[in-house]
Amino acid sequence: GNSVTQMEGPVTLSEEAFLTINCTYTATGYPSLFWYVQYPGEGLQLLLKATKADDKGSNKGFEATYRKETTSFHLEKGSVQVSDSAVYFCALSLFGNEKLTFGTGTRLTIIP
Amino acid sequence: GAVVSQHPSRVICKSGTSVKIECRSLDFQATTMFWYRQFPKKSLMLMATSNEGSKATYEQGVEKDKFLINHASLTLSTLTVTSAHPEDSSFYICSAYYSSGANEQFFGPGTRLTVL
Repeated sequence: GNSVTQMEGPVTLSEEAFLTINCTYTATGYPSLFWYVQYPGEGLQLLLKATKADDKGSNKGFEATYRKETTSFHLEKGSVQVSDSAVYFCALSLFGNEKLTFGTGTRLTIIP
Repeated sequence: GAVVSQHPSRVICKSGTSVKIECRSLDFQATTMFWYRQFPKKSLMLMATSNEGSKATYEQGVEKDKFLINHASLTLSTLTVTSAHPEDSSFYICSAYYSSGANEQFFGPGTRLTVL
């Protein structure tokens, strides 16, 4: 079956630190990969996505590259801000953006 | 951006009662909505796919008679937890699929259900 494994949190970083949140996947076929972010009290929002191998998704300074050889889609940001504090979910779909399979989520806290 | 609301945000009920949760797409029409359940420190698990005007499609292991889904209009889907028990206590999240624009799911803020 399909599954997503992401690093367990919580992760606490100082402002302007480099961020990596690891995500690996198992899928039958060729999935699209996503990162969603959930800010306190809000619904999940799509942060970025990649639909095929070697694609790089990017948004708000965050990046993730679809690595087929390592079945990974690690999230990175060069310099985090306090406003990046949220829960981040890695996800995959074999049907465009339908029927998402999620990882467990990683809570990120940025301290000033 | 597209907005999805859920009501109520929190509900506490007694064991044996039924609870209805509403999911609305506020500024777009959604022929497809999804219902997820999230356990503490666990990922979101897809429960069912709700299609406007037809029966919902349930994921394996989800009791369709327990979790009744109705998608009566292009902006509203409801999830009714029937004869609720404490093990049904969870965080329920809906999403609406915006197919004629972003081809993206937009998520509601979730409903915390506690069954006493």
